[in-house]
Amino acid sequence: GAGVSQTPSNKVTEKGKYVELRCDPISGHTALYWYRQSLGQGPEFLIYFQGTGAADDSGLPNDRFFAVRPEGSVSTLKIQRTERGDSAVYLCASSPSAGAYTDTQYFGPGTRLTVL
Amino acid sequence: QKEVEQNSGPLSVPEGAIASLNCTYSDRGSQSFFWYRQYSGKSPELIMFIYSNGDKEDGRFTAQLNKASQYVSLLIRDSQPSDSATYLCAGVLYNQGGKLIFGQGTELSVKP
Repeated sequence: GAGVSQTPSNKVTEKGKYVELRCDPISGHTALYWYRQSLGQGPEFLIYFQGTGAADDSGLPNDRFFAVRPEGSVSTLKIQRTERGDSAVYLCASSPSAGAYTDTQYFGPGTRLTVL
Repeated sequence: QKEVEQNSGPLSVPEGAIASLNCTYSDRGSQSFFWYRQYSGKSPELIMFIYSNGDKEDGRFTAQLNKASQYVSLLIRDSQPSDSATYLCAGVLYNQGGKLIFGQGTELSVKP
């Protein structure tokens, strides 16, 4: 079956602009996670959803970042007033559930965001 | 101190040798660990996970977990040039929805 998909694959924007990054999880997966990966680093957790609700948004760096998952499937990560420091690869992962002992997170291809 | 730590490398081994990748963790709430492989410019792909003390083997890969020492390792036998990638160790926080805490990754280079 289809894996996790993310669009766009690349996004170049100017400082101060608004961007939306989309994630389409594996069908049937109720848990969805967003991570951010800077060059030379491992992915860092941003937020996760169990169904439609954001169960943990403790990793969002500030209030310019927001994410939604209105129907419990596709999720959108929204960044307002982008800054150069927001440049990174944004990864989405999905899992059959959140917190089950052996559930595996499957990653999408990522969106590379560049803020000029 | 970071919760999950890895030596960034690069680790260079000759083709056919055993590559040993190591990871230590500080949070005893992390009871399971995943090893992901990440090729340059690509997203992480799962190699294997381990949650019991001891060894777990899958083909050329063996994961080892020692909860008393808070140490996780991944051994790759008969290393191939195609194994050249960054290997990410991640601890799972089940009391926080299963979110992954990643180390910075170890770059492995297998020389023909």
